[in-house]
Amino acid sequence: GAGVSQSPSNKVTEKGKDVELRCDPISGHTALYWYRQSLGQGLEFLIYFQGNSAPDKSGLPSDRFSAERTGGSVSTLTIQRTQQEDSAVYLCASSLAPIQGNEQFFGPGTRLTVL
Amino acid sequence: GQQLNQSPQSMFIQEGEDVSMNCTSSSIFNTWLWYKQEPGEGPVLLIALYKAGELTSNGRLTAQFGITRKDSFLNISASIPSDVGIYFCAGHTIPNTGNQFYFGTGTSLTVIP
Repeated sequence: GAGVSQSPSNKVTEKGKDVELRCDPISGHTALYWYRQSLGQGLEFLIYFQGNSAPDKSGLPSDRFSAERTGGSVSTLTIQRTQQEDSAVYLCASSLAPIQGNEQFFGPGTRLTVL
Repeated sequence: GQQLNQSPQSMFIQEGEDVSMNCTSSSIFNTWLWYKQEPGEGPVLLIALYKAGELTSNGRLTAQFGITRKDSFLNISASIPSDVGIYFCAGHTIPNTGNQFYFGTGTSLTVIP
């Protein structure tokens, strides 16, 4: 597609449930990033993929958070046993391979609310 | 992780005024990026800077890549109500491994008609 897409746009879940968030990067972009943005806050880095591998998972806040990427394209971010503090907007971004491109393009985000 | 210092944190200005915000880092970057985020949307790229000293304009926006490669500024001239949003700077580097993008904490801009 023309841009980065994310689904769902909004997700409301109950505490303790698992959720899956999806990101479709721009076609041809090999690098993919997940960020979390709490209300009125900046961007908190979660994880970075180059192709299907994740050389940097340093931002994942706990072992309840995991992400995978298959086929060098779509990525899913999974949050298990959700807690209220997980409520935030989850943003995905993609860019060309590190040597090729230094610009990152964002999707519209998924707003997660944990009740 | 690495953090960029962005200032000011927020600005309230009258329509027609000029705006200036900046970003500093203790590390060198090879690219500086400026984004704008409106409510309910993801950040949108405004300007990308690739060389130290580079000055680039995009309409009423002007940004510069600091000569030390550790800072950048963004100016908005003759502000209008639709300039409202949060502006983020980002620095890009090419490490041996891992994440390459580092973001500022954002500048919230309010334009009063």
